Amino acid sequence: QVQLQQSGLGLVKPSQTLSLTCAISGDSVSSNSAAWNWIRQSPSRGLEWLGRTYYRSKWYNDYAVSVKSRITINPDTSKNQFSLQLNSVTPDDTAVYYCTRQQLGISDYWGQGTLVTVSS
Amino acid sequence: DIQMTQSPSTLSASVGDRVTITCRASQTISTWLAWYQQKPGKAPNLLIYKASTLESGVPSRFSGSGSGTEFTLTISSLQPDDFATYYCQQYTSYPLTFGGGTKVEIK
Repeated sequence: QVQLQQSGLGLVKPSQTLSLTCAISGDSVSSNSAAWNWIRQSPSRGLEWLGRTYYRSKWYNDYAVSVKSRITINPDTSKNQFSLQLNSVTPDDTAVYYCTRQQLGISDYWGQGTLVTVSS
Repeated sequence: DIQMTQSPSTLSASVGDRVTITCRASQTISTWLAWYQQKPGKAPNLLIYKASTLESGVPSRFSGSGSGTEFTLTISSLQPDDFATYYCQQYTSYPLTFGGGTKVEIK
């Protein structure tokens, strides 16, 4: 059974960096069939896909255009986890952030969610 | 980006009712559509993928249909555990996009 356990700070000041980590059990971040995603949810934006990292003989990343200049998703094979960094945050980035395992475009496993509030 | 539009946004129904939710895509997505159920304070949970394939463990009262741009999620006999918000998601192209959600409330 795959489990995704999220960790990270829930309060970030404007202009600073949001950092979250998703620890994977029951699968590998280096899987050749899965991709590892970050999705956020807010009342104003609904469910919004942010990006993914995946391994197919080498590492790839895809990011949403809306955050492409500010986002980094990195795998950590030594700890079997992946991370999200979102720079220069504003109150508009306030949301519940989820990590997910994706297979063929479908998120079949989700982390528990982390409410991140951007406020001074 | 492909826009996903769900209707209605809210639906009031009673236990035992047949419920239908519609999802429309702004361009054809074949059958690359998934449905998720979300309860308050929880992450979404996958119900259906490829428009009509039930995820393992999902009750058979849930069904999905459609192709191209129009899709439906049907609950044949609404149960107390089904009061929740439902989302569609297309996965024919990136960025992945979701519908705005349909909240199924108790009548």
